[in-house]
Amino acid sequence: EDQVTQSPEALRLQEGESSSLNCSYTVSGLRGLFWYRQDPGKGPEFLFTLYSAGEEKEKERLKATLTKKESFLHITAPKPEDSATYLCAVQAGGYGQNFVFGPGTRLSVLP
Amino acid sequence: DTAVSQTPKYLVTQMGNDKSIKCEQNLGHDTMYWYKQDSKKFLKIMFSYNNKELIINETVPNRFSPKSPDKAHLNLHINSLELGDSAVYFCASSQGLGMSYEQYFGPGTRLTVT
Repeated sequence: EDQVTQSPEALRLQEGESSSLNCSYTVSGLRGLFWYRQDPGKGPEFLFTLYSAGEEKEKERLKATLTKKESFLHITAPKPEDSATYLCAVQAGGYGQNFVFGPGTRLSVLP
Repeated sequence: DTAVSQTPKYLVTQMGNDKSIKCEQNLGHDTMYWYKQDSKKFLKIMFSYNNKELIINETVPNRFSPKSPDKAHLNLHINSLELGDSAVYFCASSQGLGMSYEQYFGPGTRLTVT
């Protein structure tokens, strides 16, 4: 069965304190790995798509990397507005659009 | 302009009732989805539609039925509501099939069954 786990469950950082979020997955044929940001009371907002091991993508203070078993979301010098829940999702192989989401990491950045 | 919209935002109803949630996207996307986010915040895909054809049905009870009158709309009908149906339901859309297409989510509909 395709599974996605994320760690830590929650993370509190001081403004400017860099850290990383982890997404581990077991899927039958990875077609893509996605990172989303979700603010309270809102729908997930797309951040990145990664397709193959070794791939990296950056957007402002965020950088996503991918290996064969996990992905990391690195946050450099975070600001309070980066506070949100970060969701990892994988699209597994096979017929159709089989998306599996992880439980998310709740990030709080304190001023 | 809102890309993916849902109505209503909140829905409170009693067990046994039938209700619908509407979703519209103005992005010109070919594929639309329904997700359920339970109290533990897990997002689980329920359905996806591509060009008005069902692509996935992830072991969802047949009390749930998606209906797509056209490419821009995917409504969710729920019959005989149960307490366990209480959750936040998200609609999403993507440009098409394939791994390169990210999904755009609506704001969610919080369904409470009493």
